[in-house]
Amino acid sequence: DGGITQSPKYLFRKEGQNVTLSCEQNLNHDAMYWYRQDPGQGLRLIYYSQIVNDFQKGDIAEGYSVSREKKESFPLTVTSAQKNPTAFYLCASSPIADGALNTEAFFGQGTRLTVV
Amino acid sequence: DAKTTQPPSMDCAEGRAANLPCNHSTISGNEYVYWYRQIHSQGPQYIIHGLKNNETNEMASLIITEDRKSSTLILPHATLRDTAVYYCIVRSGRRGAAGNKLTFGGGTRVLVKP
Repeated sequence: DGGITQSPKYLFRKEGQNVTLSCEQNLNHDAMYWYRQDPGQGLRLIYYSQIVNDFQKGDIAEGYSVSREKKESFPLTVTSAQKNPTAFYLCASSPIADGALNTEAFFGQGTRLTVV
Repeated sequence: DAKTTQPPSMDCAEGRAANLPCNHSTISGNEYVYWYRQIHSQGPQYIIHGLKNNETNEMASLIITEDRKSSTLILPHATLRDTAVYYCIVRSGRRGAAGNKLTFGGGTRVLVKP
């Protein structure tokens, strides 16, 4: 089945450690996104990419890094520089914006990161 | 990017229509209005989108005002399973970085009551 997969669903790390969250899609989408969601809040854009080997900062990129070496994969690294890393992280993918075509975004089920 | 404004919360009676407003007064001509919803602790789900004409699908209807500065999502017969956070976003239809940036606001928390 086509879809977008995030792993793991739950992740625990010690403070000061870098951690990488996985996001894979087999929908052949060009664009991919990472969001952070805190309890009771909306989604905030961390990074997005519209093509392999290229990505742009979103609204809260500090303390995070990404790579886009393959079209299917867009891993997010939460670095030790991120001051409040505990959150729910969502990955999404979509076709490239192209006029009237529906560029519906598909979301993964999220990774809940807890840093202790 | 155009910004959207939504009420933070609203209640709706089961079986009745739920009308969710969204203001996007700075929307530009090539920007589409998209609606998503997020059920607790899941990834958001696409509902519907439109440019200037009203749209309807199996989930909902989208009414966009003539000046395109606001829209309303209508859930015709709300059920308890429609309890969720509903997000209205605007997105450029043009290729390029701005067209592919997908930004969410705070959304409207809808509670459907029996």
